[in-house]
Parts: sequence; C-alpha cells; structure tokens
Amino acid sequence: ETGVTQSPTHLIKTRGQQVTLRCSSQSGHNTVSWYQQALGQGPQFIFQYYREEENGRGNFPPRFSGLQFPNYSSELNVNALELDDSALYLCASDAGGSNTGELFFGEGSRLTVL
Amino acid sequence: SQQGEEDPQALSIQEGENATMNCSYKTSINNLQWYRQNSGRGLVHLILIRSNEREKHSGRLRVTLDTSKKSSSLLITASRAADTASYFCATDLFGSARQLTFGSGTQLTVLP
Repeated sequence: ETGVTQSPTHLIKTRGQQVTLRCSSQSGHNTVSWYQQALGQGPQFIFQYYREEENGRGNFPPRFSGLQFPNYSSELNVNALELDDSALYLCASDAGGSNTGELFFGEGSRLTVL
Repeated sequence: SQQGEEDPQALSIQEGENATMNCSYKTSINNLQWYRQNSGRGLVHLILIRSNEREKHSGRLRVTLDTSKKSSSLLITASRAADTASYFCATDLFGSARQLTFGSGTQLTVLP
C-alpha cells in the first residue's frame, strides 16, 4: 500500500475521444509523475509536476497534458486518442526534497482504445 | 525509448534457488533503482544504488553497480513463490532522481 490512488482502474475509449485520468498522491508529497506502460514494456516517463508546475517532460506529443492541484492531486489528459495510446498509465509521487529517489506508484489506470 | 535493457527477459527457477537479473544502460547516471511489478499492477521500489556505490544489500536482495561497464545486477537469494513478478531497473536519465527511464524488465517465475 503506497498511499497513491488512481481512478478509474479500467476504461475503454474509441479512437479520437479524450480521456482524463486522476491521481491522488501520498500525503505530504508535492511531486507527481506520470508514466505510460505498454503491454510487455517498461514504463515510459510522460511528465512531472512540482508544486502545480510542469517540471520535466518525456518524448510525448502535446495532446498529452496534465494538471496538479493545490492539494497535490493530479490529472493526466489525453486528447485525440490513438490505438497506440492503449496502455497502463501509472502515477507516482514523492516528497520533492527527499534524497531517497524512491517513487511511490499507484496501481494504474488501464486504458483500452478501440 | 528504453535506456536500460534487462537480461534475461524471462527467468524460471525453483523455490530456494537464487535469481540473478542484469541491467545495462547507455548514459552516465546519478543512481540506479530496481522496482518490482506484480502482473498488471503498480511498481514497488526495491532498492536504490548511487553511482559512487558498488554494492548494496537489503534483506534477501543484493545489488551491484559497475559504472565503467554501465551495468547492474540484482540478486535475490533463497527465492520464494511470492517473488514471482517482473523486475525493472530504472535510471535517472534526465539527471533527476524522480524522472526515471526504465528498462524492459525481467519476468521472474519461482516454481514451488
């Protein structure tokens, strides 16, 4: 139990639609990261938010966007869904100034795009 | 793209045996971490080793790091059926311990 919760756990969308995934960070954590994990692959870094500002971005197009709220919860939005967006989306939080480097992951939201 | 590559991709052993997984990476790092993932679930942090460390232990886990070869290994001793999972190495490609680049993982199966 990491204290990071994600919703929904599963969802199905059709190509071209938009999706919003939500993440509630562990208490006291002000940094949240999002990762995409395709079937049989390792997670790939999408972006990170620190105190409501985007603080780093991986190789993902602008149709992947995010928000972090004052309570440090977060959203991942994906517009114009493509079939290749089908994946497990993982949210991870940490305490920002911590030097342990450990990320606390949620259980993920599994998105299927038809 | 994946920074690290784990080897082997899949490993099957008997309970009580040791399991060794290897990870190679391409660029200089600040630290390397190992995570575990049960089927289709979230990742759990196992251990972090810094670039100036060569070996680290945590319970039944032993991690080594060879920065000259850009490689790391994870040893699980006296394996149990509950160790069955995918294991990933992750490096801080972007110079931040929180922006990780994961390898493709080793699927470990421990047979009872």
